[in-house]
Amino acid sequence: EAGVAQSPRYKIIEKRQSVAFWCNPISGHATLYWYQQILGQGPKLLIQFQNNGVVDDSQLPKDRFSAERLKGVDSTLKIQPAKLEDSAVYLCASSQDRGPGYGYTFGSGTRLTVV
Amino acid sequence: GQQVMQIPQYQHVQEGEDFTTYCNSSTTLSNIQWYKQRPGGHPVFLIQLVKSGEVKKQKRLTFQFGEAKKNSSLHITATQTTDVGTYFCLLGSSASKIIFGSGTRLSIRP
Repeated sequence: EAGVAQSPRYKIIEKRQSVAFWCNPISGHATLYWYQQILGQGPKLLIQFQNNGVVDDSQLPKDRFSAERLKGVDSTLKIQPAKLEDSAVYLCASSQDRGPGYGYTFGSGTRLTVV
Repeated sequence: GQQVMQIPQYQHVQEGEDFTTYCNSSTTLSNIQWYKQRPGGHPVFLIQLVKSGEVKKQKRLTFQFGEAKKNSSLHITATQTTDVGTYFCLLGSSASKIIFGSGTRLSIRP
């Protein structure tokens, strides 16, 4: 079974620039999550999709972050404009079910550095 | 809202010693999951606990879910260098958001 694919693996941008991350979940997984993990902290949920609908985006900074999951498969997360405090690893995860009834499978993440 | 406390934040042990991390929730949970994240890696699912008082074992790892379903522990017997990493709990509640604990970072002296 192929895992969760993410790209790019690393990205360095200047503040106020924009950046986009891509995620392709495990085939058949209806639920997709984007997490932000700052160094030394636990992952923080940014947005949760069920198929192509948003279930929870309460912690997404909507003034600068946006995400979409067209056709209920792969997803993109965008930051525009980026701030220094956005430096983190952005993890995508997928699961078969909406809630934590099933373990999440995480991708390798995108490490973003904003300078 | 729901709050989670995971302790300790760090643990440094001699290889062969035991290790335990605890996760405590302010609200009753529907389930709890445990993940391991190696340095530079991504979280990997270890196990899910659902029933009150449930105990599950995976080789040297023992997972417990409290009777009140508000706390959980992960115990590693006779640690090995391959156990190095950060262990996170993930709390699931029907009434609240799904949130990760802050993690316990385990380091081992060979």
